[in-house]
Amino acid sequence: GENVEQHPSTLSVQEGDSAVIKCTYSDSASNYFPWYKQELGKRPQLIIDIRSNVGEKKDQRIAVTLNKTAKHFSLHITETQPEDSAVYFCAASWAAGGGNKLTFGTGTQLKVEL
Amino acid sequence: DGGITQSPKYLFRKEGQNVTLSCEQNLNHDAMYWYRQDPGQGLRLIYYSQIVNDFQKGDIAEGYSVSREKKESFPLTVTSAQKNPTAFYLCASSIWRTGVFGANVLTFGAGSRLTVL
Repeated sequence: GENVEQHPSTLSVQEGDSAVIKCTYSDSASNYFPWYKQELGKRPQLIIDIRSNVGEKKDQRIAVTLNKTAKHFSLHITETQPEDSAVYFCAASWAAGGGNKLTFGTGTQLKVEL
Repeated sequence: DGGITQSPKYLFRKEGQNVTLSCEQNLNHDAMYWYRQDPGQGLRLIYYSQIVNDFQKGDIAEGYSVSREKKESFPLTVTSAQKNPTAFYLCASSIWRTGVFGANVLTFGAGSRLTVL
C-alpha cells in the first residue's frame, strides 16, 4: 500500500517568513495530493490540493508543488501569520480507485512566532 | 459545526468494555470514514464505507467494527480486542466519485476522544 512520509515534524518560523513542508510517497499510481490544516482543538480542513496533471498550484499565500518523478510534493506558505500556526497533514491517494482512500503523513506542527 | 456530527465528544471506558462512537452526516455524502489520530502518527484509516450496507477495512481495522445501515450514519464500535484504544477518533464523509480525477474533499467531524481507564 501507499506510504507517505512528512518532514519536518515541527517547524518554527518568525512572522512574515516562509514555511516549507515536504512529503514523499511510495505508490507511483497515486495522483491526488491534498493538504489539510488542523488548528488546535479543531477538525482538519482542506486548504489546498493538487492532481498529478499539474506541477504547481497556488492559492494566495499558499502553494503546493509536485514532482512525480521523485515522488514528492511540498507545501509552501509565504508571509506567515500567527493564524497559520497549526498542524498540517499531507496525504496521497489513487483517485482512479474511487473516492478518497487517503494515506496521511504524520503531520507537521507549524508555529509562527511574533 | 453543521454537516457531520460526532458524539460523544469525550468518553471514558473501563478495560474490557465495548464502546460505540456515533457519526451522523446531513451532507448527502455517499462515503464515510473513520480515522484514528495519535500524537506523531497522523491520521490512520480504520474503516470506510462507499455505500449503505457495505464497508471496507482500512489500515488498522483490528479491534474495531462498523455498520452502515443508513446513508447518514456510520457508527464505530471499539471492542475489548483493541489493545490500545485510547485515542482521538475522527469521522469524515465525502462524495464518492470514480475516474482519473475523482478524488473528493473530506469533511471531518469534530472528533471523539476516548480514554481507557
